[in-house]
Amino acid sequence: DAKTTQPNSMESNEEEPVHLPCNHSTISGTDYIHWYRQLPSQGPEYVIHGLTSNVNNRMASLAIAEDRKSSTLILHRATLRDAAVYYCILRANTGTASKLTFGTGTRLQVTL
Amino acid sequence: NAGVMQNPRHLVRRRGQEARLRCSPVKGHSHVYWYRQLPEEGLKFMVYLQKENIIDESGMPKERFSAEFPKEGPSILRIQQVVRGDSAAYFCASSLTNRASNTEAFFGQGTRLTVV
Repeated sequence: DAKTTQPNSMESNEEEPVHLPCNHSTISGTDYIHWYRQLPSQGPEYVIHGLTSNVNNRMASLAIAEDRKSSTLILHRATLRDAAVYYCILRANTGTASKLTFGTGTRLQVTL
Repeated sequence: NAGVMQNPRHLVRRRGQEARLRCSPVKGHSHVYWYRQLPEEGLKFMVYLQKENIIDESGMPKERFSAEFPKEGPSILRIQQVVRGDSAAYFCASSLTNRASNTEAFFGQGTRLTVV
């Protein structure tokens, strides 16, 4: 499985943008970049995913490097409710490799 | 529109007993994944099932653990003769397809197993 590398932790002030980086230098051409987050004492929650183009949804934006070897999850205005562990995951498009393989993620702390 | 339902939310078992964890996927989803999360650690994949079939059990311990997803009813993760090291949160996820391009996985709230 292609691996991802994320910082262990990041801090942000409330109401400010947050950029969560992810390196995936061994990504294959058919791997999708998925982001999930896990709030304390809850199951993971889907955030966003993309292949090559930047993506936006109501929760966040995903910026994907042109060579696809890195990506950045952008929370436009962090709130206290965004404090969670954020996981960047490469997911194959089908078959047994479609399972989500979680790394250690980035623990985001949001302060007032 | 109910999400993934796991029960029980909390389960206490004595060493040597059996634990049965249930997962009802999102209605219409036929792909189910089980994960285990030890305290302060990340989620580890255990098994992937697609209606009555085990597709990938590469993360499942060879002994004492089994999983099923019958044609009717919830998916079951069964742990026989539990030991203290089995204490963890067990999460189930379901998805409509196994294609990463157009589907997200929905996770349940987990079952927290404590072995005493």
